Amino acid sequence: ILNVEQSPQSLHVQEGDSTNFTCSFPSSNFYALHWYRWETAKSPEALFVMTLNGDEKKKGRISATLNTKEGYSYLYIKGSQPEDSATYLCAPSSGYSTLTFGKGTMLLVSP
Amino acid sequence: GAVVSQHPSWVICKSGTSVKIECRSLDFQATTMFWYRQFPKQSLMLMATSNEGSKATYEQGVEKDKFLINHASLTLSTLTVTSAHPEDSSFYICSAREYSGRARETQYFGPGTRLLVL
Repeated sequence: ILNVEQSPQSLHVQEGDSTNFTCSFPSSNFYALHWYRWETAKSPEALFVMTLNGDEKKKGRISATLNTKEGYSYLYIKGSQPEDSATYLCAPSSGYSTLTFGKGTMLLVSP
Repeated sequence: GAVVSQHPSWVICKSGTSVKIECRSLDFQATTMFWYRQFPKQSLMLMATSNEGSKATYEQGVEKDKFLINHASLTLSTLTVTSAHPEDSSFYICSAREYSGRARETQYFGPGTRLLVL
């Protein structure tokens, strides 16, 4: 089981603020990293799958970067909106099949 | 696309009863399905991986006789919590992946089932 750390644990920002959070994982035997957004009472929604060192992915105002050599990924949200309020989960994999999830970063965006 | 349903969303049962949770992929064929459990303030913990037509692979510490998993078709997996006890109260969530053995493929999640055992 991988040791996956996400920080901060929670974050409260104002509408329009840009924000970012971190996912740290062991750099050895890295295979892939997934980011999910999980709104209360809904299914976790897949945001990105990242595999290569230096990968950058973007989806609207949300983007992510990956550093496999040092074992971290950043998720950025530009111009946060109330609808961005959710828990953001990262899940790296060191193997061929399974993911290990972090505890998530809970984001609250106030209007 | 890629919708996974899970039923029921809530279940309250008496200690000693068995509870079955269904996970269905609605618009794709799921070669592999996963079952996770989440305790309060903790991360999603993988319980087992099931490939269609095969026996499930359980993670260390998960009792296979306690948590029965059946993946009889490419669109349906079930998790049965047998003889449930209060310590089994938790949030159970499934995910489905179209291809087996490929961690780069996205897992699509159901909305989860909250189980309360009295």
